[in-house]
Amino acid sequence: QSALTQPPSVSGSPGQSVTISCTGTSSDVGSYNRVSWYQQPPGTAPKLMIYEVRNRPSGVPDRFSGSKSGNTASLTISGLQAEDEADYYCSSYTTSSTLVFGGGTKLTVL
Amino acid sequence: QVQLVQSGAEVKKPGASVKVSCKASGYTFTNYGISWVRQAPGQGLEWMGWITTYIGNTNYAQKLQGRVTMTTDTSTTTAYMDLRSLRSDDTAVYFCARGGGFSYPLDYWGQGTLVTVSS
Repeated sequence: QSALTQPPSVSGSPGQSVTISCTGTSSDVGSYNRVSWYQQPPGTAPKLMIYEVRNRPSGVPDRFSGSKSGNTASLTISGLQAEDEADYYCSSYTTSSTLVFGGGTKLTVL
Repeated sequence: QVQLVQSGAEVKKPGASVKVSCKASGYTFTNYGISWVRQAPGQGLEWMGWITTYIGNTNYAQKLQGRVTMTTDTSTTTAYMDLRSLRSDDTAVYFCARGGGFSYPLDYWGQGTLVTVSS
């Protein structure tokens, strides 16, 4: 199972919006609405930010939103804040009943 | 509150085995599976597999088949991940997380356990 494809890095200024893409195949992203997004600041454990494509766990700001079209999922962060600077990973359930992660995207807040 | 507390860092020689524990608290242990994810230094997240805590069914990543075993002890609400025949490229931080399978995202994570494989 190959990793999902994410851009290595994205950046934005405070207050702006950024979108991180996550491209898979018809065997993972395209088959199920079981895409999650995780935030990982350096040296910490990942934190769930979005699950089932667009749902936010309690406590996650509504500045974070998710969507999906075909084999590509996206995470949009609006109203960027300095505290959003971190690595972001997508994941998807697969037709092999496994989980696959994206390669990760480093978000820099300028 | 939900907590997953992992065992401490390990240093192992190539060919040895390591067993990492993950003590869960703050929820009904058998209502959720436990997944294991690792992260090599400077690299991304890699899914290793998961175990259903109420019945002990497992599903492992193909590349680790034959070297990894995941178990749980419901009496102590602890999950274990055993990795054998260690190689240098197994050096990584190993995380446990609540959830897995089709229905459950990985919503709570342990703090991570650094396993270093070096001669």
